[in-house]
Amino acid sequence: GQQVMQIPQYQHVQEGEDFTTYCNSSTTLSNIQWYKQRPGGHPVFLIQLVKSGEVKKQKRLTFQFGEAKKNSSLHITATQTTDVGTYFCAGTYNQAGTALIFGKGTTLSVSS
Amino acid sequence: DTEVTQTPKHLVMGMTNKKSLKCEQHMGHRAMYWYKQKAKKPPELMFVYSYEKLSINESVPSRFSPECPNSSLLNLHLHALQPEDSALYLCASSQVLSFGGRTDTQYFGPGTRLTVL
Repeated sequence: GQQVMQIPQYQHVQEGEDFTTYCNSSTTLSNIQWYKQRPGGHPVFLIQLVKSGEVKKQKRLTFQFGEAKKNSSLHITATQTTDVGTYFCAGTYNQAGTALIFGKGTTLSVSS
Repeated sequence: DTEVTQTPKHLVMGMTNKKSLKCEQHMGHRAMYWYKQKAKKPPELMFVYSYEKLSINESVPSRFSPECPNSSLLNLHLHALQPEDSALYLCASSQVLSFGGRTDTQYFGPGTRLTVL
């Protein structure tokens, strides 16, 4: 079946360092969404990318969608302890009514 | 208001019990979802309702029975569960299931943490 691969599974950084998580699909995605889940919490929508090569920024977070719409990344500049959590990408393929397929997530820990 | 509410927050049940999880949204969304999430894993889709009709059933065992009484409510009826069914059960909603081949943004509730003894 269709899968969205996400790496790394875990990442530990010192506060102030940058962080990047990557998602990859073997087939073209229709769109990709990113969610953040804090420890003990529920997934919270961050952003949706639709267009080939799209780049969107939210303060220290930069989201990219690849030109071939098969990969995406989330980059956090100068991490803070509030960035701790698991970041999931979730993609959709070009089929009407297809629901999201989640990557396995990257769990970020930050030490001060 | 982008809130999806779920009750109860925690549920402990025996394998012979019957219980129900409830989900509610008042955003006018017409697609609602049930996910199951085990620790350190991504959410796994169970069911999708679109305009109150079951649209997707991801081969979920019959001991889980969804119900969508109206456009704001989604229930998940549980019967004869197994200990391996213990997990966080998440409800989500979106305006529609998809448009133009794109899945709509999903808003998740806080979840019900289920323990089956």
